Amino acid sequence: EPEVTQTPSHQVTQMGQEVILRCVPISNHLYFYWYRQILGQKVEFLVSFYNNEISEKSEIFDDQFSVERPDGSNFTLKIRSTKLEDSAMYFCASTSGYFQPQHFGDGTRLSIL
Amino acid sequence: QQQVKQSPQSLIVQKGGISIINCAYENTAFDYFPWYQQFPGKGPALLIAIRPDVSEKKEGRFTISFNKSAKQFSLHIMDSQPGDSATYFCAASIGTSGSRLTFGEGTQLTVNP
Repeated sequence: EPEVTQTPSHQVTQMGQEVILRCVPISNHLYFYWYRQILGQKVEFLVSFYNNEISEKSEIFDDQFSVERPDGSNFTLKIRSTKLEDSAMYFCASTSGYFQPQHFGDGTRLSIL
Repeated sequence: QQQVKQSPQSLIVQKGGISIINCAYENTAFDYFPWYQQFPGKGPALLIAIRPDVSEKKEGRFTISFNKSAKQFSLHIMDSQPGDSATYFCAASIGTSGSRLTFGEGTQLTVNP
């Protein structure tokens, strides 16, 4: 069964450094998402992306965050200057269309020191 | 108005018993309600989903009950098994493509053998 893959599985970064999280969505999917989950808390929406542009973003997704689909397969989340509070699991998801399920990757655990 | 409230926070059930998790929402524009199962170190995996034009949907041991007038929906796990021990999240979205998932707070289910 096709799946969403994310790399790396764990990223440790110094506060203030830039970090890029990578995702390969399911190949025929058109809509892409990033969510985050702080340890022990619920999954929170960050941003959605369709047709090479952001379609929706949450209040969490401030100017420090950006997303990109640099080629036909990868979807990246960049945090420009990381803060301690950015420590979380970051999940990528994708879906094929209307009322179709969003499929999630296994996440990248981001630890900011 | 975007919130989805989930209860209980944790649930312990004996093997063979019925597990029931409840969710309530406020935004009447929500029209797609999935349930996700999450094991430690993994991303959320879709379990079952419902749209408000039906009051119940059953897939194997898993059943969603939906009450549109009360703006509530619930997950029933029949004949609960130790392998069902996981965190369960309800979610809601507006079904048109690109819509974010709004997650509940999660329920940690433990099924004792």
